[in-house]
Amino acid sequence: SQQGEEDPQALSIQEGENATMNCSYKTSINNLQWYRQNSGRGLVHLILIRSNEREKHSGRLRVTLDTSKKSSSLLITASRAADTASYFCATTGANNLFFGTGTRLTVIP
Amino acid sequence: DAGVIQSPRHEVTEMGQEVTLRCKPISGHNSLFWYRQTMMRGLELLIYFNNNVPIDDSGMPEDRFSAKMPNASFSTLKIQPSEPRDSAVYFCASSFGTGDYSEAFFGQGTRLTVV
Repeated sequence: SQQGEEDPQALSIQEGENATMNCSYKTSINNLQWYRQNSGRGLVHLILIRSNEREKHSGRLRVTLDTSKKSSSLLITASRAADTASYFCATTGANNLFFGTGTRLTVIP
Repeated sequence: DAGVIQSPRHEVTEMGQEVTLRCKPISGHNSLFWYRQTMMRGLELLIYFNNNVPIDDSGMPEDRFSAKMPNASFSTLKIQPSEPRDSAVYFCASSFGTGDYSEAFFGQGTRLTVV
């Protein structure tokens, strides 16, 4: 990818469990965003964390950012079948918005 | 607002033909991105416009690709001549601001198949 990589590439969990996805990136960033993509659809923004923030919450989502390690994680708590989708991290610099390779999450009812 | 609108949703064309993809960003947004998504390469940023001006086109793969934004409400991505390896889903996204602290809104994409 042009900027980041997600880990794992695929994740399968049971409904109600928590899902954790990780993102590593290469260069300095202004902020990091997480997006979700349902099959055959465009991406939808989930949450943004600024480079001077370490943790952020939004509903069942928790995002962490470690700029020293150039990494971020997305935690989805109490997962639901409807959370099944691909999740991407995106980093922004001055003139770009680069996406990682994505994690395919499957939540089994 | 209806969101970012892309057309066509699907395009099948023969190798060597010219293909034009269209995008209408959200009214008031001043940044526009074109992406290409494939299984092999993921989401690639092709070009970024700010206030209708191309700021970064380093992701445009070849001279066969060109993009324009004649006004704030319309952008095109053209491939001439098209090749089978151009087959992919092409997304347009818009945001307000330079993207530093802005979320991007994506269109539904155009699935291009070059045979």
